Amino acid sequence: DTAVSQTPKYLVTQMGNDKSIKCEQNLGHDTMYWYKQDSKKFLKIMFSYNNKELIINETVPNRFSPKSPDKAHLNLHINSLELGDSAVYFCASSQVPARQETQYFGPGTRLLVL
Amino acid sequence: AQSVSQHNHHVILSEAASLELGCNYSYGGTVNLFWYVQYPGQHLQLLLKYFSGDPLVKGIKGFEAEFIKSKFSFNLRKPSVQWSDTAEYFCAVNSPGYSSASKIIFGSGTRLSIRP
Repeated sequence: DTAVSQTPKYLVTQMGNDKSIKCEQNLGHDTMYWYKQDSKKFLKIMFSYNNKELIINETVPNRFSPKSPDKAHLNLHINSLELGDSAVYFCASSQVPARQETQYFGPGTRLLVL
Repeated sequence: AQSVSQHNHHVILSEAASLELGCNYSYGGTVNLFWYVQYPGQHLQLLLKYFSGDPLVKGIKGFEAEFIKSKFSFNLRKPSVQWSDTAEYFCAVNSPGYSSASKIIFGSGTRLSIRP
C-alpha cells in the first residue's frame, strides 16, 4: 500500500539515450511534483502538476518533459541524456497545491548516465 | 531569490547527546517552514512544519523546532538522540513566488551520524 511509488528504482544508461521515469500516487492527491537531488544532496523542484495541468516549471532543459495522463500519475521523460543528468529524481504529491500542504515523497529513482 | 541555508553539513554525535541543527532562510515575508528527514536509502518524510501560531513546533520522534522570525531561523532540536536518528535532515521553506502553488525550496541538508 505504497503511497507514492516510482519506477524504476535504479536506471543506468548511456549518454544520448532517451528514458522515462514513472510515478504514481494512491493518496487521492490533486498535485504532483518532480524534484532532482544532485550528488551533494541538494534538492530542487523541477515541475508540478495540478489535476493534469502544469503549474510549476522551473528552469529545466527542454530535454525534460513531464506528462500527466491523470492526476494519479506524473511521468518524466528525458531525451538525449547527458552526464549531468545523473542524480536521484524524487516524485512527490500533495492534496492541493496550497502553500501549507505537506508533500509526500516517493522512494526516488537513481539515474546514472555513463 | 528565496534561499535556505543549513550551515552544518555533517554532524556526529553520541547516543543520548542533545541535537540542534541550524536552518536560516532569506525571505522576509510570511513563510511556511518544514523539516524533512531522509533515512538511509529511503524517501523524504515530514518531521514537522510551521505555518503560524506557537513558534515552538513539535514533530514526530521527539523532534521540535523553533521559529525565530527576527533571526530568520528555524532550528531543529532533539534533547536526546538515538542511533536510529542517523539520517539526512532537510530544512525547507515555501516560496511565495507562486501564490497558489506549493513550491518548496530545500536547504542543502545536514547529515547526522550517531555513534552507538
